[in-house]
Amino acid sequence: EVQLVESGGGLVQPGGSLRLSCAASGFTSSDHYMDWVRLAPGKGPEWVGRTRDKPNRYSTEYAASVKGRFTISRDDSKNSVYLQMNSLKTEDTAMYYCARVSRSGAYFDYWGLGTLVTVSS
Amino acid sequence: DIQMTQSPSSLSASVGDRVTITCRASQAIDIYLAWFQYKPGKAPKSLISAASTLQSGVPSRFSGSGSGTDFTLTISSLQPEDFATYYCQHYKNYPITFGQGTRLEIK
Repeated sequence: EVQLVESGGGLVQPGGSLRLSCAASGFTSSDHYMDWVRLAPGKGPEWVGRTRDKPNRYSTEYAASVKGRFTISRDDSKNSVYLQMNSLKTEDTAMYYCARVSRSGAYFDYWGLGTLVTVSS
Repeated sequence: DIQMTQSPSSLSASVGDRVTITCRASQAIDIYLAWFQYKPGKAPKSLISAASTLQSGVPSRFSGSGSGTDFTLTISSLQPEDFATYYCQHYKNYPITFGQGTRLEIK
């Protein structure tokens, strides 16, 4: 059974940093593109970024709103994906979801439960 | 960026009703359109990809159609577990963008 479990969320002050983790099970994460998506209260979902699969050297893409501040990485030994968030702003407050990209098309086929990030002083 | 516009933003319906949600892209996206269901406290659930392909395990009362800029999600006979928020999302290019959502409520 495919499972994605996010962790690492919490309360952080503006300008601070946080690292989110996404632990995958039931499949080999290095075989898939993996994305982060966030959902802020009262807003629609916002795509945060992507790490491609191993054959594509785990190259990354980011939304303009986070580029230069957020970094996506992987640890194959832990079958995990990470989102390093620096220079956090109040507008980064959201539930952050890890999503698996299907190998048969570039859509999300599985999502995690999410982890809540609150940026506030 | 491609803008995705959903309508209506909210909808009240009864069990057994047929409902349709629309999604419009600001430019043509072929069939690179997905729908997913969101319930608070649960993992979002992917329903449809490629505009009309039902994901494994999704009930056949869900269907999708459209191509280019105009798409629809139809639930043929609402069940109690279908009351949720639905989002469309394109994956034609970067950045991936989403609609603002349609909240489906019990009448």
